[in-house]
Amino acid sequence: EDQVTQSPEALRLQEGESSSLNCSYTVSGLRGLFWYRQDPGKGPEFLFTLYSAGEEKEKERLKATLTKKESFLHITAPKPEDSATYLCAVQTGGKLIFGQGTELSVKP
Amino acid sequence: DAGITQSPRHKVTETGTPVTLRCHQTENHRYMYWYRQDPGHGLRLIHYSYGVKDTDKGEVSDGYSVSRSKTEDFLLTLESATSSQTSVYFCAISDPSDRFKDHGYTFGSGTRLTVV
Repeated sequence: EDQVTQSPEALRLQEGESSSLNCSYTVSGLRGLFWYRQDPGKGPEFLFTLYSAGEEKEKERLKATLTKKESFLHITAPKPEDSATYLCAVQTGGKLIFGQGTELSVKP
Repeated sequence: DAGITQSPRHKVTETGTPVTLRCHQTENHRYMYWYRQDPGHGLRLIHYSYGVKDTDKGEVSDGYSVSRSKTEDFLLTLESATSSQTSVYFCAISDPSDRFKDHGYTFGSGTRLTVV
């Protein structure tokens, strides 16, 4: 059964305290792995797509990496405005399967 | 939200009544999706459409039906609402021409549905 698991469920950081979010997956035939950011009361907002093991992508303080079994979203020197829920999803066949998300809180 | 609108944004309805949620897009994207989001479950696919009048079931389709008579509109109907269908519903769009190539899905702002 295709499955996506994110950890931790919640993460509290101090401003400037770097950390990583994990997304592990078991799917038959990965076609892509996606990271989204979701703010309260809003729909998910696209961040990155990764297609193959070893691939990395960066955007401001965020960096996403991919291995054959998991992906990491590294957050360097986070700011309070980085507080949100981060969702991971994998494409298998024609559909996206989402993890449950990691709720990130960054305190000043 | 990049040309995708959901209506209504909020709705309270009674158990046993039918409810229809609307998703409207102005991007002319071929694929449209309905997800529900619940604490502890993340986003789960209800139904999706790969063209006008072409739809298919997702993982949690029981109690829901959909229709797509025009490219721009995708309707989700709860045939007889139950308390277990209280949730936040999201519509998403994508297009096979650039699907998943640094765009992913584009999501609407969601509809918060409460069944009492």
